[in-house]
Amino acid sequence: KAGVTQTPRYLIKTRGQQVTLSCSPISGHRSVSWYQQTPGQGLQFLFEYFSETQRNKGNFPGRFSGRQFSNSRSEMNVSTLELGDSALYLCASSWRGAMEQKNNEQFFGPGTRLTVL
Amino acid sequence: AQSVTQLDSQVPVFEEAPVELRCNYSSSVSVYLFWYVQYPNQGLQLLLKYLSGSTLVKGINGFEAEFNKSQTSFHLRKPSVHISDTAEYFCAVRYQGGKLIFGQGTELSVKP
Repeated sequence: KAGVTQTPRYLIKTRGQQVTLSCSPISGHRSVSWYQQTPGQGLQFLFEYFSETQRNKGNFPGRFSGRQFSNSRSEMNVSTLELGDSALYLCASSWRGAMEQKNNEQFFGPGTRLTVL
Repeated sequence: AQSVTQLDSQVPVFEEAPVELRCNYSSSVSVYLFWYVQYPNQGLQLLLKYLSGSTLVKGINGFEAEFNKSQTSFHLRKPSVHISDTAEYFCAVRYQGGKLIFGQGTELSVKP
């Protein structure tokens, strides 16, 4: 079974631009969660989508948004990029909702490294 | 507030030596505990998890961890490390009904 895939792997943008990142979950998984990883803040939860609905959200500004399609693929969008948005963005998929059931393992993709200049 | 603390940001160790990476969390209510490993330019891979039952959990690559409820700790151990174990290790905790909360990570550097 193929793992979680994320595209693109690397991205360079300038301040003020917007960006869209894509995540394809493991086949059959219905939940996709997004995380931001930076050296200073570590791994922080952005949001989770399950069956095309946002179920949970972290403490990020409204510039960060996402959506999920009927095939469970998810996109994350960041508008009006700031230098501080430079990070590794990871997505993780799971069969059930990320916060349901203790035995619900999340599988992570390799990430998209976003650099904002 | 719910939090996870990894007590060492960097751990240098010689090959074949034992290693312990420490993790403490903020609450003793029901929790589910995880250790992930991240190799350079890669995503996170699950090493092991504690959900219930035996407090000693064995994972992949020879790692194990012990859940200590009274000390709210979940330390990761390996009796003999290899160069290929060089990576960043993350402890994560899921409180009941909550999201996964990660520690800041520990960089394990194995030297020959």
